[in-house]
Amino acid sequence: NAGVMQNPRHLVRRRGQEARLRCSPMKGHSHVYWYRQLPEEGLKFMVYLQKENIIDESGMPKERFSAEFPKEGPSILRIQQVVRGDSAAYFCASSPVAGQFSYEQYFGPGTRLTVT
Amino acid sequence: TQLLEQSPQFLSIQEGENLTVYCNSSSVFSSLQWYRQEPGEGPVLLVTVVTGGEVKKLKRLTFQFGDARKDSSLHITAAQPGDTGLYLCAGKNQAGTALIFGKGTTLSVSS
Repeated sequence: NAGVMQNPRHLVRRRGQEARLRCSPMKGHSHVYWYRQLPEEGLKFMVYLQKENIIDESGMPKERFSAEFPKEGPSILRIQQVVRGDSAAYFCASSPVAGQFSYEQYFGPGTRLTVT
Repeated sequence: TQLLEQSPQFLSIQEGENLTVYCNSSSVFSSLQWYRQEPGEGPVLLVTVVTGGEVKKLKRLTFQFGDARKDSSLHITAAQPGDTGLYLCAGKNQAGTALIFGKGTTLSVSS
């Protein structure tokens, strides 16, 4: 049973470019979460999506960041016009639809974004 | 605001020693999860504790959830170099839509 998959694992972008991070949830999971990890701040929630719906985006910066989880295909976290402060590790997690263990989230290996 | 505070922040011990790390909050959580993260990888779920006072064991790791569901501890017996990593506790936010993480305890076990 494949785990959460993220690609690319490493991404280098110049200031002003766009970054697209992809996440495929575990089989049978339809809830996707994105987190950002900075060295001094720990893991911070960004957005929670179900298929074709954004449920909670309270952790997303107001500008330049967007996320989607289409009916077909992976979830995408998109960062437009990247700045150096966007350099971080971005993690995707998924959880089951519902039931006893719906509160458990399983993480992918992350995408390390470096903005030069 | 729900916060999880972990202590100690760093712990460096010799192989064979025992250790305990703590996760505390002023808020009640319906459940807490413990994760371990190695450099360059994502967090790996170790255990979920749900009931106040609950104790769960995973080989040499013992997890306890406080009676009031505001705190948790992780005890490792006879630590090994393979236990090295960042240990994170996490709990669901009040809306139930996201995990709140502590900043973690970085454990280094040397042989």
